[in-house]
Amino acid sequence: AQSVAQPEDQVNVAEGNPLTVKCTYSVSGNPYLFWYVQYPNRGLQFLLKYITGDNLVKGSYGFEAEFNKSQTSFHLKKPSALVSDSALYFCAVRDTGSGYSTLTFGKGTMLLVSP
Amino acid sequence: DADVTQTPRNRITKTGKRIMLECSQTKGHDRMYWYRQDPGLGLQLIYYSFDVKDINKGEISDGYSVSRQAQAKFSLSLESAIPNQTALYFCATSDPGQGSTDTQYFGPGTRLTVL
Repeated sequence: AQSVAQPEDQVNVAEGNPLTVKCTYSVSGNPYLFWYVQYPNRGLQFLLKYITGDNLVKGSYGFEAEFNKSQTSFHLKKPSALVSDSALYFCAVRDTGSGYSTLTFGKGTMLLVSP
Repeated sequence: DADVTQTPRNRITKTGKRIMLECSQTKGHDRMYWYRQDPGLGLQLIYYSFDVKDINKGEISDGYSVSRQAQAKFSLSLESAIPNQTALYFCATSDPGQGSTDTQYFGPGTRLTVL
């Protein structure tokens, strides 16, 4: 079975500071990993994905994520947070090794960036 | 994402009523999905369809049914709505074509309240 965990319900960071939103996953084969962002009263927007290759993936709005196979993690990062980054962030995984053809989402992490 | 539209955007109904939520897409994707979002639970997959003739149950299909009228249209029905179906409902699409990673793209959501 495929699963994903976001251990923090909320992350608080001051504007200009670096931010990290954590995600760990469990799969039987190789993972496809995704980050989505949800702004208030909006649908989910795709941020970035890891499929294969370089462990550091760059995405929209200055976000990046680092794939770590040994720690089964895919943490979302940004060097300098903006107040406008405040939103709900979802990590998702698809196991390419088990026949799963749908995504499993984490429960989401609320990011609050203070001025 | 304007390529995936959902109607209605908001709906208030009473227990026992039949409700239909509609999703249309202009992305030309074969795959479509219905999710519900509850606070603290993330996204849960209700039904998914890989083409017009292929419909599959997700994690939480009880109390729901779907219809794939065309490649571009995927409807979700609540046959007899109950209060614990109050939630935010999202439609998503993806393209499984060669070279694609099956990234999902979401509609803006429908907020359903069952009284």
